[in-house]
Amino acid sequence: NAGVTQTPKFRVLKTGQSMTLLCAQDMNHEYMYWYRQDPGMGLRLIHYSVGEGTTAKGEVPDGYNVSRLKKQNFLLGLESAAPSQTSVYFCASIRRPTGSSYNEQFFGPGTRLTVL
Amino acid sequence: AQSVSQHNHHVILSEAASLELGCNYSYGGTVNLFWYVQYPGQHLQLLLKYFSGDPLVKGIKGFEAEFIKSKFSFNLRKPSVQWSDTAEYFCARGMKRIHGNKLVFGAGTILRVKS
Repeated sequence: NAGVTQTPKFRVLKTGQSMTLLCAQDMNHEYMYWYRQDPGMGLRLIHYSVGEGTTAKGEVPDGYNVSRLKKQNFLLGLESAAPSQTSVYFCASIRRPTGSSYNEQFFGPGTRLTVL
Repeated sequence: AQSVSQHNHHVILSEAASLELGCNYSYGGTVNLFWYVQYPGQHLQLLLKYFSGDPLVKGIKGFEAEFIKSKFSFNLRKPSVQWSDTAEYFCARGMKRIHGNKLVFGAGTILRVKS
């Protein structure tokens, strides 16, 4: 069981370039999330998905797009990178909760992105 | 909007000192609270969680947290820290399923333990 994996681990982009970050999980989790981590701001939710083919905006969605074509994968796209998107990006997933329960989120190792 | 506040951004302790990191959450709804730890260069790991029941929660590596409903607090404690506890600690609140079960994080507290 690899858990949650992210590719790439590091990337440097120039302003205006595009790229896609891939998150994959092998736990058959229904819900997946993309966060960005910035110093002194904790983790902030960019977009999330509660199932294959569905996505929703989080707290800081501007400048990002996502797709969930397969249950195990959640892609985060930057169409035109900006220096403000320099950050560490984390993916997470959980099993669909039942009733009023809440399930623990499992996090990937992160992708460190620098936009020059 | 729901929010989570962590009182200290940087804490420096000597080995064997006691630790208490503050966390307060905003009022409202079912409370699902978490403490995560991030060691240098690593991803987030769950230390402990509170959903209901005994307000004193024990986690891994000797950590515990106390949920105090009247104070909207969920402070993290450890009686005696070790150098290996140097890390960043995040308090988080889990939102309801209608909100996608997402987590709302505090800003984090960087703990440095001096040997």
